[in-house]
Amino acid sequence: GPKVLQIPSHQIIDMGQMVTLNCDPVSNHLYFYWYKQILGQQMEFLVNFYNGKVMEKSKLFKDQFSVERPDGSYFTLKIQPTALEDSAVYFCASSFLLNQAPLFGEGTRLSVL
Amino acid sequence: GDSVTQTEGQVTVSESKSLIINCTYSATSIGYPNLFWYVRYPGEGLQLLLKVITAGQKGSSRGFEATYNKEATSFHLQKASVQESDSAVYYCALNTNTGKLTFGDGTVLTVKP
Repeated sequence: GPKVLQIPSHQIIDMGQMVTLNCDPVSNHLYFYWYKQILGQQMEFLVNFYNGKVMEKSKLFKDQFSVERPDGSYFTLKIQPTALEDSAVYFCASSFLLNQAPLFGEGTRLSVL
Repeated sequence: GDSVTQTEGQVTVSESKSLIINCTYSATSIGYPNLFWYVRYPGEGLQLLLKVITAGQKGSSRGFEATYNKEATSFHLQKASVQESDSAVYYCALNTNTGKLTFGDGTVLTVKP
């Protein structure tokens, strides 16, 4: 079946550096999401994105975060600069309709040293 | 804000026994949210197990069932006879009219042979 792909599965960077997490959503999906899960904690909503714009973002979506999907390619989450508390697994998801259960990727584990 | 509560962090059941994983919710942004159970099998990504969007209805998949109880604001997951292959992490979730999913903390199910 259709899949959401996330590249890479694990990324290690030094605090203060920029990182871009890539997501290849299902091709005909229109709504895109990022979620964050710190080890041992709840999976939490960061942001959703439709038609080239952020629809809603949570308080976890700090000013250092940005999302884009240029020309229908990867849906990316950029963090610049990174902080130690950004260490977590980041999950991308996509859906065709707004209230449809989104399809999730397997996550990218980000380790900020 | 919205919240989902799963009271059991870990559940251990013997194979062929019955299972219930509790889930209650609070949706302040909308009266009747859509309700979901997601599952993460070992080594795999998060996937949808079942969903119910109408209060009073029951959803089912792979032998699991959950009924949307709006009076009790509950969406408990049940299975009459579990198998070892059901061992996984189960997440209860709700979404509202913005598409944002709110997750519970997850319940780790271990089925003993």
